[in-house]
Amino acid sequence: NAGVTQTPKFRVLKTGQSMTLLCAQDMNHEYMYWYRQDPGMGLRLIHYSVGEGTTAKGEVPDGYNVSRLKKQNFLLGLESAAPSQTSVYFCASSYSFPSGGAQETQYFGPGTRLLVL
Amino acid sequence: AQKITQTQPGMFVQEKEAVTLDCTYDTSDPSYGLFWYKQPSSGEMIFLIYQGSYDQQNATEGRYSLNFQKARKSANLVISASQLGDSAMYFCAMREGRRDDKIIFGKGTRLHILP
Repeated sequence: NAGVTQTPKFRVLKTGQSMTLLCAQDMNHEYMYWYRQDPGMGLRLIHYSVGEGTTAKGEVPDGYNVSRLKKQNFLLGLESAAPSQTSVYFCASSYSFPSGGAQETQYFGPGTRLLVL
Repeated sequence: AQKITQTQPGMFVQEKEAVTLDCTYDTSDPSYGLFWYKQPSSGEMIFLIYQGSYDQQNATEGRYSLNFQKARKSANLVISASQLGDSAMYFCAMREGRRDDKIIFGKGTRLHILP
């Protein structure tokens, strides 16, 4: 019963390096999301996907790209990392809306801590 | 304008007392959903409770209840008989509209339960 998993758990990058964060869910959820969490800012939506092969921009998409080639996976890419992208990244998934009641809740992964030097 | 406002950055409460965490929201859509999440120091996000805009009764889940005041656009979380393990960050969140795919989060309230 894995739920939502994220890889890696922690990473240190130098400015200008690239990396990909992987999110996987085994609940057959249609929707998947990438958030970043910064002190005093809550969670801010980066990109999201409403189904395999589709992606959309959230509140803070600049500097990130995403892909959803398989329903169970959602990848977040940083092509040229910047110190401003130092953050904790959360992936989440959910059933499609409106599904009614608490089924609309999102299930979160454990987070990835990224430090960009 | 902020969609979700949590006015209490931090709170200190004595163990066993009840706690109310404030959340106000802004939407013109008649259909929406409201959520509360808990984030302990370990970092994971834990779903606590959900309230739909058309729900007639306030949501309850164990020691958690949601004081939903639709006219005031308020969705406060009430924790009864607080425990030390309730110390955490709490986030209020909203999904707007029947077809909106996004959930917007507030900035959170850090709750400290004192022994």
